[in-house]
Amino acid sequence: DTAVSQTPKYLVTQMGNDKSIKCEQNLGHDTMYWYKQDSKKFLKIMFSYNNKELIINETVPNRFSPKSPDKAHLNLHINSLELGDSAVYFCASSQRGRAGTQYFGPGTRLTVL
Amino acid sequence: KNEVEQSPQNLTAQEGEFITINCSYSVGISALHWLQQHPGGGIVSLFMLSSGKKKHGRLIATINIQEKHSSLHITASHPRDSAVYICAVSTVGGSQGNLIFGKGTKLSVKP
Repeated sequence: DTAVSQTPKYLVTQMGNDKSIKCEQNLGHDTMYWYKQDSKKFLKIMFSYNNKELIINETVPNRFSPKSPDKAHLNLHINSLELGDSAVYFCASSQRGRAGTQYFGPGTRLTVL
Repeated sequence: KNEVEQSPQNLTAQEGEFITINCSYSVGISALHWLQQHPGGGIVSLFMLSSGKKKHGRLIATINIQEKHSSLHITASHPRDSAVYICAVSTVGGSQGNLIFGKGTKLSVKP
């Protein structure tokens, strides 16, 4: 069974559209994350979330919003997509808060045309 | 200047060589992570450490908290070790535990 899964794996869309990426973890972890990897392969935290607290990286535009229907899911919603949003987005999860080993999903490659 | 610096950026080695990748950081941390990103894109956590040394198979990770420095060593390197190795730190303070990443070291091991 996949520990951290993301759907879709690839997403191609037009500028201005709204899209969502889903993430699910079956590890029973209490904290989930979204990361963005840009074209230069540099990873950056976007959000971290547990059932008590959402921490948002201040550089993330408010067009991006995480939604957590339950402890095992953290979906990423993106409104009014822009060309610069093209990247690979990784979901991850950890136990024991944010200092635990993180387990990554396979990534979603988003291409905005 | 990035809060987490790695060196070298690129590394080519012959199979069997001993490899060292370095990581320096400038922020307060609760832990340091070494990650491996395969050519296919998947990311795997290799180590999480807050002091001393950890070993797993041919991989060894060390950290010196006073010097704010960590090293990842690969003994008897193999072509399947070819990947990008990323150092990341879990911060303390406002965004406690959020990872800050280095830019990665691309390792290529030739047969």
